[in-house]
Amino acid sequence: GENVEQHPSTLSVQEGDSAVIKCTYSDSASNYFPWYKQELGKRPQLIIDIRSNVGEKKDQRIAVTLNKTAKHFSLHITETQPEDSAVYFCAANPRMVTNAGKSTFGDGTTLTVKP
Amino acid sequence: DGGITQSPKYLFRKEGQNVTLSCEQNLNHDAMYWYRQDPGQGLRLIYYSQIVNDFQKGDIAEGYSVSREKKESFPLTVTSAQKNPTAFYLCASIPPSPNTGELFFGEGSRLTVL
Repeated sequence: GENVEQHPSTLSVQEGDSAVIKCTYSDSASNYFPWYKQELGKRPQLIIDIRSNVGEKKDQRIAVTLNKTAKHFSLHITETQPEDSAVYFCAANPRMVTNAGKSTFGDGTTLTVKP
Repeated sequence: DGGITQSPKYLFRKEGQNVTLSCEQNLNHDAMYWYRQDPGQGLRLIYYSQIVNDFQKGDIAEGYSVSREKKESFPLTVTSAQKNPTAFYLCASIPPSPNTGELFFGEGSRLTVL
């Protein structure tokens, strides 16, 4: 089965700095890579995603890059703000549409943005 | 207001008791999922259901049971056979195909065994 590793487990940055979270996956058949943000005690919510036919995707201060050959993808947050503080999860999704919901998640990164 | 509703938000259980966590959705989604979340770990899949009256075990199904009698509802029972049930439980659903694989989550239920 798929195995997703996420690093670092904790990340502390100063407000305005950039934050980068990296994930690797093992199953070359995975083709959809979402990132979820989970604030304390709240539900995870999708913040950005990327498909395996795309190398990079941006949405304002957030970007995701994918290296399919190396089987890793990264989340980049620029100009961090205190409200970016949360746990971020990466996930890899299998090719088969019948298993579309069976994402394999990384262990999460707790991001703290210091004012 | 469409979404996924989980209840209760907090639940305390004595050892040896079964408890049932409710998950209801009005999104008209076919597939529903239960995940368990422990501190410092990612979400792990307990059970999932792609259609009514059908469900499949996930990666950590032991000690849990589910039913899917209605499209809108996917309750999870944590049985006394689950050795370490204290955790945060998340229910999720996914739109009908074609879909991106994005999961829509409920607010979660926090179970504590006393």
